Amino acid sequence: NAGVTQTPKFQVLKTGQSMTLQCAQDMNHEYMSWYRQDPGMGLRLIHYSVGAGITDQGEVPNGYNVSRSTTEDFPLRLLSAAPSQTSVYFCASSPWTGSGNTIYFGEGSWLTVV
Amino acid sequence: RKEVEQDPGPFNVPEGATVAFNCTYSNSASQSFFWYRQDCRKEPKLLMSVYSSGNEDGRFTAQLNRASQYISLLIRDSKLSDSATYLCVVIVYGQNFVFGPGTRLSVLP
Repeated sequence: NAGVTQTPKFQVLKTGQSMTLQCAQDMNHEYMSWYRQDPGMGLRLIHYSVGAGITDQGEVPNGYNVSRSTTEDFPLRLLSAAPSQTSVYFCASSPWTGSGNTIYFGEGSWLTVV
Repeated sequence: RKEVEQDPGPFNVPEGATVAFNCTYSNSASQSFFWYRQDCRKEPKLLMSVYSSGNEDGRFTAQLNRASQYISLLIRDSKLSDSATYLCVVIVYGQNFVFGPGTRLSVLP
């Protein structure tokens, strides 16, 4: 019953450091995405992928990189962490953004940049 | 104008009350609609899909009005455990999931 698995759950970074948030799903979903959620802002899409080898930018992509080398994995890289990237990050997956398909979330990664 | 809008609340209601949330969307090509529930410091989870004819799941009823471009969620006989943030989600086929900002509900004893 793994579903969408994110690691780490909590992380504190210093300004300028880089890190990777890992995300894996075992449901063979084509669509994967990363969101950040800030108080009063709702979920904002960072990057998404519609299949292995295909990625695209969402609403707030600056400062983040992604890759999709396999169907299962979709890591999110912070290139040079800034305090503005302090947030909760959710990875999500879906069979596809087709009619009736829903989206499943990981448990979230709490990131603090000091 | 945001693609999906919701009243942020909070809605503070006593146990046993009936409460309704609305969500409006701007893209008339939207095809799929959902309500998600998010507990504090947890991930969003699917509450129910919203069908054109309206649908019910226990104490929860969802309605879709395509002409006016809004969906609604009605919760009857509120329980303390219903306290959460309720997110409206809209999909245009082949595009991304668009989330509303959420409506916070607090059910009071």
